[in-house]
Amino acid sequence: GQNIDQPTEMTATEGAIVQINCTYQTSGFNGLFWYQQHAGEAPTFLSYNVLDGLEEKGRFSSFLSRSKGYSYLLLKELQMKDSASYLCAVMDSNYQSIWGAGTKLIIKP
Amino acid sequence: GAVVSQHPSRVICKSGTSVKIECRSLDFQATTMFWYRQFPKKSLMLMATSNEGSKATYEQGVEKDKFLINHASLTLSTLTVTSAHPEDSSFYICSARDSGDSYEQYFGPGTRLTVT
Repeated sequence: GQNIDQPTEMTATEGAIVQINCTYQTSGFNGLFWYQQHAGEAPTFLSYNVLDGLEEKGRFSSFLSRSKGYSYLLLKELQMKDSASYLCAVMDSNYQSIWGAGTKLIIKP
Repeated sequence: GAVVSQHPSRVICKSGTSVKIECRSLDFQATTMFWYRQFPKKSLMLMATSNEGSKATYEQGVEKDKFLINHASLTLSTLTVTSAHPEDSSFYICSARDSGDSYEQYFGPGTRLTVT
């Protein structure tokens, strides 16, 4: 079967750095997405990785290793507004998105 | 940037009635739109994939006669929850894929449905 694994919840301190991991097992691979979702709102796009390596976009970076079926989202200089759920999604060989359950990130002052 | 609107944002209806939710891509053409359902503190659950001009593809366990999807144009898809029951109360989110883009999905703001 296909599955996406990510931690259920993480806690970090304002100003610090946090890494949210995502491992996947899918039939084929056509890219991995990270989305941010605040409570009661729809997800918003953060990043897309299809090749191995690190993609940096401001305070957020996303890394992919296709051979390991592994990705992480790195958030630097954490702000209180970063408190949200972070969803990992993989597009399989049929271009269907398989969604992880999300990681709830709690930022403490 | 690509914008997707969803209407209504909140709706309360009585059991047995039907509710229609609209999803529109405002500044791009979307040959494919997706309908998701999300329960509190849970991840997105794909209900169906809607392709313009053809029948929607429903995920296993989703009743197509209860959740009617119509994708009549490249910018509009509708989800109708027929004969709603309290267990249909949920957060419904649509997303659209830009026909000429990298398969990124642009999400609507979601519709909170409460069935009393």
